[in-house]
Amino acid sequence: QSLLTQPPSVSGAPGQTVNIVCAGTVSNIGAGFEVHWYQQLPGAAPKLVMSRFSSRPSGVPRRFSGSKSGTSASLVITGVQPEDEADYYCQSYDTTLNNDVVFGGGTKLTVL
Amino acid sequence: EVQLVQSGAEVKKVGESLKIACKFSGHRLGIGWIGWVRQKPGKGLEWIGFIFPKDSDTTYSPSFQGHVTFSADNSIDTAYLHWRALQASDSAVYYCARRPPCDNGLCYTWFSPWGQGTRVTVSS
Repeated sequence: QSLLTQPPSVSGAPGQTVNIVCAGTVSNIGAGFEVHWYQQLPGAAPKLVMSRFSSRPSGVPRRFSGSKSGTSASLVITGVQPEDEADYYCQSYDTTLNNDVVFGGGTKLTVL
Repeated sequence: EVQLVQSGAEVKKVGESLKIACKFSGHRLGIGWIGWVRQKPGKGLEWIGFIFPKDSDTTYSPSFQGHVTFSADNSIDTAYLHWRALQASDSAVYYCARRPPCDNGLCYTWFSPWGQGTRVTVSS
């Protein structure tokens, strides 16, 4: 069981809104650690698409947004496109790991 | 713009040693930390640890402590991940990734960019 829990898969038709949740605990998000999101296209290295819950790096399309609610974080893709089909991972830190890095288990986004 | 370029794929046998490289460039304000991440086929990202090349300070995930070692050579802007004795279970793709340096007391906790990955295959 990961300290950051993500659904194994989500799907949506082109143009729909997709929400990927990263459920944390009091030892990571609840302890004040930020969440970052990475997109991994098939056969490629991960790429940062959201930092500090809701800060979009330069070059990331505006349809990507992020938020925090309690001990969870969300990555939202508004108007999902076929090229968004990828694995998405959340990342934070955790006090039970001596404040070390923790990744969520990953979510496979399928664009129908 | 910071770039990380990793060394090529490796095929080794159980018990052999291995060192893979991550060359960094474009870091005008300092490279910060270089983290290492493992990804087994069809699986998620696993945190191995990181090194601060400026002083070679290291942090290892308990899951990997004692099995791998990090090092860095600042003269050629390269970080390394090494194994003294590979196991078949070490077969995976290994990524290096940069965590930016702190700036005026403000520290950043994300990793970007990432290297392209190094595939390690260990056979018996």
